Amino acid sequence: NAGVTQTPKFRVLKTGQSMTLLCAQDMNHEYMYWYRQDPGMGLRLIHYSVGEGTTAKGEVPDGYNVSRLKKQNFLLGLESAAPSQTSVYFCASSPGTQHSNQPQHFGDGTRLSIL
Amino acid sequence: RKEVEQDPGPFNVPEGATVAFNCTYSNSASQSFFWYRQDCRKEPKLLMSVYSSGNEDGRFTAQLNRASQYISLLIRDSKLSDSATYLCVVQNTGGFKTIFGAGTRLFVKA
Repeated sequence: NAGVTQTPKFRVLKTGQSMTLLCAQDMNHEYMYWYRQDPGMGLRLIHYSVGEGTTAKGEVPDGYNVSRLKKQNFLLGLESAAPSQTSVYFCASSPGTQHSNQPQHFGDGTRLSIL
Repeated sequence: RKEVEQDPGPFNVPEGATVAFNCTYSNSASQSFFWYRQDCRKEPKLLMSVYSSGNEDGRFTAQLNRASQYISLLIRDSKLSDSATYLCVVQNTGGFKTIFGAGTRLFVKA
């Protein structure tokens, strides 16, 4: 019973490098989300998707891109990593509009350090 | 003003104590409410949904006051294992606009 799976779990990058974080869910959820969490702050939404082939900006989208080519996968890309993007990244999914009052299910996070 | 505000704590309580957390939200159109629990360096996990009539799950009781726009969580007979950060979550209809509070840290001591 995997739920939401994030890869990788940890990564260290140098400034200017690029990388992609992968999120996969096996619950047939329509909605998927990428958050970042920094010390002393709540989860902040980076981008989200309400269905395959659709994406939208969240609260802090700058410096990130996303793609949802398949319903079960939601990719987060950093084109040119900056130290300010050092954070813990969480992916989440939820059923969608037809299932109101449904909470989000989270992956166990990716710890990313940019040197 | 933040859309969802919580007292950051920390709350330090002895085992067996009763502790209450409050959370206020600014969007009166918010539809769904939840409490999540987050352990150190772990992902947030759903603790309980919050219903208009109030609801209870074992030692945990959640209340919603739409008129005053606040949500509360009451933990009775605190256990050491309750030590965690508790996140207040507010969601609009459809679920894709979800706002997380910054969390309230709870330490339960023997």
